[in-house]
Amino acid sequence: GAGVSQSPSNKVTEKGKDVELRCDPISGHTALYWYRQSLGQGLEFLIYFQGNSAPDKSGLPSDRFSAERTGGSVSTLTIQRTQQEDSAVYLCASSSLIRGYTFGSGTRLTVV
Amino acid sequence: DQQVKQNSPSLSVQEGRISILNCDYTNSMFDYFLWYKKYPAEGPTFLISISSIKDKNEDGRFTVFLNKSAKHLSLHIVPSQPGDSAVYFCAAMLGGSQGNLIFGKGTKLSVKP
Repeated sequence: GAGVSQSPSNKVTEKGKDVELRCDPISGHTALYWYRQSLGQGLEFLIYFQGNSAPDKSGLPSDRFSAERTGGSVSTLTIQRTQQEDSAVYLCASSSLIRGYTFGSGTRLTVV
Repeated sequence: DQQVKQNSPSLSVQEGRISILNCDYTNSMFDYFLWYKKYPAEGPTFLISISSIKDKNEDGRFTVFLNKSAKHLSLHIVPSQPGDSAVYFCAAMLGGSQGNLIFGKGTKLSVKP
């Protein structure tokens, strides 16, 4: 597609449930990033995929968070046993060159 | 420990005047800096960038200044327009690689007609 597509746009879940967030990057972009923005906070780096290399998971806040990127394209961010502090906007971005760092519109996750 | 700091959470300016958004960083190894603009319910969009080998980059109404000795950069918008009202994020990158960007917390700019 023309841009980075994220789904769902909004997700409300009960504490303790697992959620999956999906990102469709721009076709041909080799790098894919997940960030999150909590209320009043900046953009917090979570994980970065580059081609076939092992992902940089250094930003994942706990082992409840995981992500995969299948076939070098679509990525899924999974949060297990969600907690209220996981509530945030989760943003995905893809890039081929640094100026091509394009964000999706995000998934607003609310844990109740 | 924040490596990229935007100390002003908000800024209000009059239409037609200059908006100056500031950003400080702590890591002297950062060599590429970017500004992103974010409207509510949308993802951030790239605005302007600057390499550490430069001290100024201009694109239309937007100019970014870099002061490496002070580890400080600023975004100037002249003249400011109501459509510029958004949250502006400063971001930095290490080593020119395609690694992750490190973002500040953002500054919410309001341009009043």
